[in-house]
Amino acid sequence: DTEVTQTPKHLVMGMTNKKSLKCEQHMGHRAMYWYKQKAKKPPELMFVYSYEKLSINESVPSRFSPECPNSSLLNLHLHALQPEDSALYLCASSQVVGTSSRGYTFGSGTRLTVV
Amino acid sequence: GQQVMQIPQYQHVQEGEDFTTYCNSSTTLSNIQWYKQRPGGHPVFLIQLVKSGEVKKQKRLTFQFGEAKKNSSLHITATQTTDVGTYFCAGPDSNSGYALNFGKGTSLLVTP
Repeated sequence: DTEVTQTPKHLVMGMTNKKSLKCEQHMGHRAMYWYKQKAKKPPELMFVYSYEKLSINESVPSRFSPECPNSSLLNLHLHALQPEDSALYLCASSQVVGTSSRGYTFGSGTRLTVV
Repeated sequence: GQQVMQIPQYQHVQEGEDFTTYCNSSTTLSNIQWYKQRPGGHPVFLIQLVKSGEVKKQKRLTFQFGEAKKNSSLHITATQTTDVGTYFCAGPDSNSGYALNFGKGTSLLVTP
């Protein structure tokens, strides 16, 4: 299995809702990431997990809460989001953080719309 | 922290013409990676460059890493419509635990 699977593919939520994004990989990668991508912009790093521990939080608002239940799964819990949080949320994994001869493997993303 | 600049922002070529995108970093990079994102898609890893002055080829794509390891380029020979997409360079950022920091990307449009 050489894929990163993200669910759901699309999500529309109200500003008072609570929802979760899910990400799964079975490549044995020990680093997993959440990126946020707005239209016509590059992916922006949100969170880094290394060996199932949160190593970097790029000053992301607390309405985004990551969770790494095990080495294959990564969740992003959403609560009280704002319309400006609407974006494509990408999960990625790599063998380790940093140098990786095979690069990052990205999921197809969750396209989130906050209304 | 490390800033990765990429030019041009957009490039529109006729099919068969060549294309080059350039990436510059404010600091020396331990490695640089290149990704392609098709419209409506997600970034897909193309290659990693590690050594000073390194040149790698993938069919019509040629990747170079500068001698000072601060710049890189991607050159496509004889573009095809399948080359359409946004090409990103990315380097590890020490402020992010060496996770990848992406350049702004170059969007390539190829008309037949």
